[in-house]
Amino acid sequence: GAVVSQHPSWVICKSGTSVKIECRSLDFQATTMFWYRQFPKQSLMLMATSNEGSKATYEQGVEKDKFLINHASLTLSTLTVTSAHPEDSSFYICSAREGFYNSPLHFGNGTRLTVT
Amino acid sequence: GENVEQHPSTLSVQEGDSAVIKCTYSDSASNYFPWYKQELGKRPQLIIDIRSNVGEKKDQRIAVTLNKTAKHFSLHITETQPEDSAVYFCAATLGGNKLTFGGGTRVLVKP
Repeated sequence: GAVVSQHPSWVICKSGTSVKIECRSLDFQATTMFWYRQFPKQSLMLMATSNEGSKATYEQGVEKDKFLINHASLTLSTLTVTSAHPEDSSFYICSAREGFYNSPLHFGNGTRLTVT
Repeated sequence: GENVEQHPSTLSVQEGDSAVIKCTYSDSASNYFPWYKQELGKRPQLIIDIRSNVGEKKDQRIAVTLNKTAKHFSLHITETQPEDSAVYFCAATLGGNKLTFGGGTRVLVKP
């Protein structure tokens, strides 16, 4: 089955630093990947849609200059949290669709970010 | 944009009983409705999905029904087991691309 790998699984960083999270589709090509954020006991909130070879599409209220997304290849998307603050502490999950519209969405293992 | 409401937020059932979770969506153009199960600290796992051209789908103890007219869909788990305890999310796709998730239902199956 389709596998999405996300790295790192957890990271602790100091306030003001930047953190990069990688999302890879291991056995399929993904022209589109999605980045979600999940706070404790809450639902998954879509942050942005990552498009291979073009700019990401951000959801309303998500700062594109703070959450930098790069989708340089058909199997890799990265999310960089710049100048992290404690309120950015959350569970970040990427996902990718193995086919075209309305095909199943597969999730990475998630990255738990703690900003101190 | 799409808005998905999910109820109940918590559900406690006795082992062996059935569990039902209901979701409503706002945009009649939505045409794909997956259900995910998420255990604590882990990724959401797709457990079943349904497309708008189908009214019902079943996979062993899990079934999903879709009422397009009323814009609601439901997840049914029969003969619940302790390992069914988790958070369940419904979702809807608008335009065949991004998913909008419901608020989640925390299911607890008591042995």
